[in-house]
Amino acid sequence: EPEVTQTPSHQVTQMGQEVILRCVPISNHLYFYWYRQILGQKVEFLVSFYNNEISEKSEIFDDQFSVERPDGSNFTLKIRSTKLEDSAMYFCASYRAVGLYGYTFGSGTRLTVV
Amino acid sequence: QQPVQSPQAVILREGEDAVINCSSSKALYSVHWYRQKHGEAPVFLMILLKGGEQKGHEKISASFNEKKQQSSLYLTASQLSYSGTYFCGTLDYKLSFGAGTTVTVRA
Repeated sequence: EPEVTQTPSHQVTQMGQEVILRCVPISNHLYFYWYRQILGQKVEFLVSFYNNEISEKSEIFDDQFSVERPDGSNFTLKIRSTKLEDSAMYFCASYRAVGLYGYTFGSGTRLTVV
Repeated sequence: QQPVQSPQAVILREGEDAVINCSSSKALYSVHWYRQKHGEAPVFLMILLKGGEQKGHEKISASFNEKKQQSSLYLTASQLSYSGTYFCGTLDYKLSFGAGTTVTVRA
């Protein structure tokens, strides 16, 4: 069964440093998303990406965040200057939007900002 | 706007049943249900597209009432493997998740 692959699985970074989280969505999916989940809390939407541009973003997704699909397969989330409160599990998801399918989530990157 | 789920948590013995409710203040065109095990990603269970339609996944089924803007997930004859956090999601160009219902099934 096709999977969404995320790397790294765990990243520890110092406050103020830049991090890039990487995702390889399912190849025939058209919509890509980043969500985050602070420990013990719900899954929160960050940004959606369609046709090589951002289609929607939440208020969490401020100027410190950016997304790219640099080569047609990878989908990256960059946080320019990390804060302690950015510590969370970040999930990438892709969606075919055809048929009775839901989102397919990657296994996540646990980001710890120290 | 995020859907509202209830209850927040439920504890069951194996073989017992439970219902998880999901409601929205906005008109619903579809509802997704996901289950997340501790430390893992959410996994898609089912999607409901029409009002009143029931879908099933193992002994887990769901209904969707468009008029009441509600969906319910039914865990029937629960098994230990049903433990996890269940999220409903409403689709409006992106999926917005409810706060989740933590289900613990004990032997």
